[in-house]
Amino acid sequence: DIQMTQSPSSLSASVGDRVTITCRASQSISIFLNWYQQKPGKAPKLLIYAASNLQSGVPSRFSGSGSGTDFTLTISSLQPEDFATYYCQQSYSAPYTFGQGTKLEIK
Amino acid sequence: EVQLVESGGGLVQPGGSLRLSCAASGFTFSSYNMNWVRQAPGKGLEWVSYISSSSSAIYYADSVKGRFTISRDNAKNSLYLQMNSLRDEDTAVYYCATGGGYGSSPNWGQGSLVTVSS
Repeated sequence: DIQMTQSPSSLSASVGDRVTITCRASQSISIFLNWYQQKPGKAPKLLIYAASNLQSGVPSRFSGSGSGTDFTLTISSLQPEDFATYYCQQSYSAPYTFGQGTKLEIK
Repeated sequence: EVQLVESGGGLVQPGGSLRLSCAASGFTFSSYNMNWVRQAPGKGLEWVSYISSSSSAIYYADSVKGRFTISRDNAKNSLYLQMNSLRDEDTAVYYCATGGGYGSSPNWGQGSLVTVSS
C-alpha cells in the first residue's frame, strides 16, 4: 500500500500569509494526487486534482505542484475562510490512501 | 445540481450488520465511479471502497476487506455499502463521493453516522 505523509500536522498562520503544506508518497504516484479542505462538521471539499489542476469554483489563491513522490499545496494569501484541515490523497492505486491531515489555525 | 444523500446509519452492536445507501441525483449516475470514505470521531479521512461505473472494478481498504461489500444499482441511481461483522473501530461518519478526473472525488454527500457499541 502507498503511504501518504503530510507535513506539518498543524500550522498557525495569519490572514494574508503565504502557506505551504507538503505531502510525500512512499512510492511514485505520477500526478495522481488530490487535495481536499474540510471544515468542522462538513464534508471534504476538493481543491486540487491531478497535483496542479484547480477544481472549478475554487479560488485562484490555492495552487498545487509536484509529481512522483513530492507534492505541495500553497495558499498565496490566507483568508479567514481558509482556516480548516487539509488532506492529500493518492488516486494512483488502490487503496486510495489519505494523508493524516494538516490543521491550519489562526495565529 | 449534484446531490448525494446517505442513509442507513445508526447504532449497532459489535458483530452486527448495517447497510448504508447513497441516493444520487443531478447527474448521470451510471457514468460515474463512486467511493465510500469514512471519518472516525476526531480523526482523519480513511478511504473505504471504490466501485467503477459498471461495477466491473471493486476495491476495498484492508481494514474492511472481507466484511464490507460495495454495490450499486444504476437503474435506481443508488450506491450501497453492506457492512457485516462490525467492530468498535468502524464507528465513523461514512461519506459517499463521486469519482472524478484522475480519481479525485469532486462531490460528496453530507455523511451518515455509524456507531458500533454495546
